[in-house]
Amino acid sequence: DAGVTQSPTHLIKTRGQQVTLRCSPKSGHDTVSWYQQALGQGPQFIFQYYEEEERQRGNFPDRFSGHQFPNYSSELNVNALLLGDSALYLCASSSSRRGSTNEKLFFGSGTQLSVL
Amino acid sequence: GESVGLHLPTLSVQEGDNSIINCAYSNSASDYFIWYKQESGKGPQFIIDIRSNMDKRQGQRVTVLLNKTVKHLSLQIAATQPGDSAVYFCAENMERGGSYIPTFGRGTSLIVHP
Repeated sequence: DAGVTQSPTHLIKTRGQQVTLRCSPKSGHDTVSWYQQALGQGPQFIFQYYEEEERQRGNFPDRFSGHQFPNYSSELNVNALLLGDSALYLCASSSSRRGSTNEKLFFGSGTQLSVL
Repeated sequence: GESVGLHLPTLSVQEGDNSIINCAYSNSASDYFIWYKQESGKGPQFIIDIRSNMDKRQGQRVTVLLNKTVKHLSLQIAATQPGDSAVYFCAENMERGGSYIPTFGRGTSLIVHP
């Protein structure tokens, strides 16, 4: 049973560019959340997708957008990259099904984004 | 001990000792708490959780204590092993719109010396 998988593992971009990160949730999970983790900090919630819609959003600008596909996989898009967007981007999946412990998030290993 | 800037609070222990990692949370309405372990190059991994109607919960070698009066959590690791070396995060959860969105603390780096 594959866990949460993210691609790519590392990415280097320059200021002003756009980036797309990808995530496949753990088998059986239907909810995907994205987090940004700066060096030496805890993960910060970006947004959560369920049923192909953004259900919750953290305090991030509109440059950060996402998408969820019918197979529950998800993408995170960041436009007009800034140096401060350099961070580890984590995807986490969970299940909304009745009886499941849907509060428990299963994280991928993340995509390390460097903006030069 | 505590430090400022980009440096995480750090706890150094000897192999075999017990470790206690502390966490203060901010929202008195939070009703579900989770401890995560993050090893270098990996995402956070679930360790143990506790709901606000409990004050203690035990797992394998780990115990979480919750003091709602002072909004404090602790994670106790018994007989700490080198493989326990990692950054530990507490996360407080409050249901919003039908889902729980955890808010992570800053983390504590645990270093276990053999």
